[in-house]
Amino acid sequence: GAGVSQSPSNKVTEKGKDVELRCDPISGHTALYWYRQRLGQGLEFLIYFQGNSAPDKSGLPSDRFSAERTGESVSTLTIQRTQQEDSAVYLCASSSNINYEQYFGPGTRLTVT
Amino acid sequence: GQNIDQPTEMTATEGAIVQINCTYQTSGFNGLFWYQQHAGEAPTFLSYNVLDGLEEKGRFSSFLSRSKGYSYLLLKELQMKDSASYLCAASTGKLIFGQGTTLQVKP
Repeated sequence: GAGVSQSPSNKVTEKGKDVELRCDPISGHTALYWYRQRLGQGLEFLIYFQGNSAPDKSGLPSDRFSAERTGESVSTLTIQRTQQEDSAVYLCASSSNINYEQYFGPGTRLTVT
Repeated sequence: GQNIDQPTEMTATEGAIVQINCTYQTSGFNGLFWYQQHAGEAPTFLSYNVLDGLEEKGRFSSFLSRSKGYSYLLLKELQMKDSASYLCAASTGKLIFGQGTTLQVKP
């Protein structure tokens, strides 16, 4: 079966523009996570979704960041009014449940110019 | 607060053994994950420890002491392809990652 997929793989945008990043989790995985990884840094938790429960948004760095998930399928991470410090790789992961192994997608490399 | 500490960089020789340590302080703790990440690639799962003790999986082993807030990843018979970053992550319902340890294996 297919793994986690993300699109686009690369995105270059101008400062102030909005961007949407997409994640398709592994089919049947109820948990979905978004992380940010700046160059040479570890993974920074942003948000996770678990089934129909309210998402844990505690890692979102500002109100410019938001994410949605439709049921147990696709998720979209939206960054409004992008800033240069938003430049990073955005990784999505899914797992069959909380505390289970997470499978990561290839990431979206976002560059804000 | 949440804090995960691991060394930034390590160097080892092909064929040798290396131990990467990780200490953690978290609000709530379910278990400890180790991931491997090659440059420019996504992290891949290596191990998950819930109970104290050593879990062995081929050339890789992982140890956990919940009372000490301590874990290590042990890599045996190092190969050049083991050059990568190794990420320690504490599970609190979500994963809190350390900064990663970049391991360079030299011939």
